[in-house]
Amino acid sequence: DAGVTQSPTHLIKTRGQQVTLRCSPKSGHDTVSWYQQALGQGPQFIFQYYEEEERQRGNFPDRFSGHQFPNYSSELNVNALLLGDSALYLCASSTGQGLSYEQYFGPGTRLTVT
Amino acid sequence: AQSVAQPEDQVNVAEGNPLTVKCTYSVSGNPYLFWYVQYPNRGLQFLLKYITGDNLVKGSYGFEAEFNKSQTSFHLKKPSALVSDSALYFCAAGGATNKLIFGTGTLLAVQP
Repeated sequence: DAGVTQSPTHLIKTRGQQVTLRCSPKSGHDTVSWYQQALGQGPQFIFQYYEEEERQRGNFPDRFSGHQFPNYSSELNVNALLLGDSALYLCASSTGQGLSYEQYFGPGTRLTVT
Repeated sequence: AQSVAQPEDQVNVAEGNPLTVKCTYSVSGNPYLFWYVQYPNRGLQFLLKYITGDNLVKGSYGFEAEFNKSQTSFHLKKPSALVSDSALYFCAAGGATNKLIFGTGTLLAVQP
């Protein structure tokens, strides 16, 4: 049983560019959450998708957007990249929206903005 | 505002000794509390959670955590540390907002 998978593993972009990160949830999971983990920090919640809609959002600007597909996979898009967007982006999936549902994390995508 | 504090950047312990990694939280409503472990270049792995019930929660790899409502703490413990336990440990909490907030992490170093 494959766990949460993310692609690509690493990515280097230039300031001002746009990036798309992808996530496939664990089999049987229908809820996907995205987190940003800056170096030396804990993960910060970006948003959560369920039934193809954004259900919860953290304190991130509109440059950060997402999408969930009918097969529950998800994309994170970041526009107008800033140097400060350099981080490990983690995707987590679960079987429901609430906090009582355990979140399974993927290995992350390391984004470097130069 | 919700917050999670892990007061120690690093905890050093000798193999075979008990270990404690500290965590305090501030959330609105009833707390949902979690511990995750992160190995280098890997995602987070779930260790244990507290939602309701017994204050002592047992999790994976022999870890346990004690929920203390009056002190708003959820310390991670293990009776006998292993070198393989060396990793970065994150405490996370959520409440009425239904959003998970992570602490800044504690690096556990177990010396042989």
